[in-house]
Amino acid sequence: EAQVTQNPRYLITVTGKKLTVTCSQNMNHEYMSWYRQDPGLGLRQIYYSMNVEVTDKGDVPEGYKVSRKEKRNFPLILESPSPNQTSLYFCASNRGNSNQPQHFGDGTRLSIL
Amino acid sequence: AQKVTQAQTEISVVEKEDVTLDCVYETRDTTYYLFWYKQPPSGELVFLIRRNSFDEQNEISGRYSWNFQKSTSSFNFTITASQVVDSAVYFCALSETPNKNRDDKIIFGKGTRLHILP
Repeated sequence: EAQVTQNPRYLITVTGKKLTVTCSQNMNHEYMSWYRQDPGLGLRQIYYSMNVEVTDKGDVPEGYKVSRKEKRNFPLILESPSPNQTSLYFCASNRGNSNQPQHFGDGTRLSIL
Repeated sequence: AQKVTQAQTEISVVEKEDVTLDCVYETRDTTYYLFWYKQPPSGELVFLIRRNSFDEQNEISGRYSWNFQKSTSSFNFTITASQVVDSAVYFCALSETPNKNRDDKIIFGKGTRLHILP
């Protein structure tokens, strides 16, 4: 089954404790993205990747890192999480570039205390 | 710069009524793509439609229809004879033609929360 898998689905942690949210897709898609969803702000793109070893900042990249060492994986790293990064995070992938429809993961709800 | 505005934060209608969700966009590009996504209460994001800037034909899919008007930079979404299952947050999104001199970002609107009342 074609899917985008995020882990964990839920995480409560404390300020400053490094964490990684994994994202994996099995559709051989080139383009992958991370978004955060906050009430009243909609979906905002954090980082995107157009292919292996090619990553770029979205609109809200501060405080986040990503890597794309393999085509299927696109982890989101919070080196020193802060409470303002408490949010619902979505990973997405699609073939080609940003002009194609995206497949989304089920979301990861992060709470930073 | 790219921008997507969904001015309606929340809409409530009674079942079987028609409802239109507005989406207004800004772009300097002549080639761009517009999207609508649905997020039901269960939380997943589901693709509904993609439209490129050269195709201004209106699209109809069952009870759903989309009106793309370049003259007003709008890509509105109408649900006819709404049903309770249409209750969701709906997002409009924009992407421009990527090239080496430009970001390949996707910009989403803030979404419209639609309540269909039984």
